[in-house]
Amino acid sequence: GAGVSQTPSNKVTEKGKYVELRCDPISGHTALYWYRQSLGQGPEFLIYFQGTGAADDSGLPNDRFFAVRPEGSVSTLKIQRTERGDSAVYLCASSLGESGYTFGSGTRLTVV
Amino acid sequence: DAKTTQPNSMESNEEEPVHLPCNHSTISGTDYIHWYRQLPSQGPEYVIHGLTSNVNNRMASLAIAEDRKSSTLILHRATLRDAAVYYCILRGLIQGAQKLVFGQGTRLTINP
Repeated sequence: GAGVSQTPSNKVTEKGKYVELRCDPISGHTALYWYRQSLGQGPEFLIYFQGTGAADDSGLPNDRFFAVRPEGSVSTLKIQRTERGDSAVYLCASSLGESGYTFGSGTRLTVV
Repeated sequence: DAKTTQPNSMESNEEEPVHLPCNHSTISGTDYIHWYRQLPSQGPEYVIHGLTSNVNNRMASLAIAEDRKSSTLILHRATLRDAAVYYCILRGLIQGAQKLVFGQGTRLTINP
């Protein structure tokens, strides 16, 4: 497709479980970003990849959060031992050079 | 990260122009001014960006002050579909400053 694809669109998990969120960026976009957004707030930066490597992971809140992009395309955000406070919409975006970001529609994560 | 200041909310009427202000008094010489908007239940959408000169595209115009300490996003003829939260963001070029840092944005309401 032409846009950024995120799967699943909705995920409900129990407290303490492990989850993986997937992002398919626009083909050829070298930069990939993960954000999370709580209700009524602006998106909060988590991590940024340039190619396969994490160029900036300063937004990851703690070591339960981890992201990979092994082949420089698809990325997976992994959350261990989920907590109710992790409930949010997780957004992925990609970009090429100085162009604007293209965001996906997000994954709504609910931890019960 | 360089900061921007925007009004929390604005209201306008359909088919009238809308001027959304943004202050960024601490902008550095290499920071680009980016605007994004977020419609309800969607990811943010790129609107426009610029460095020094005014910019126009099919969605909007960006007017940048001569000292670059403020800018204005102009929607020439608002429609109901323009109701969204509008974010003004500075994006740098150096490592660590390339990520978009979202604030609270301006919630734009369009009256029919």
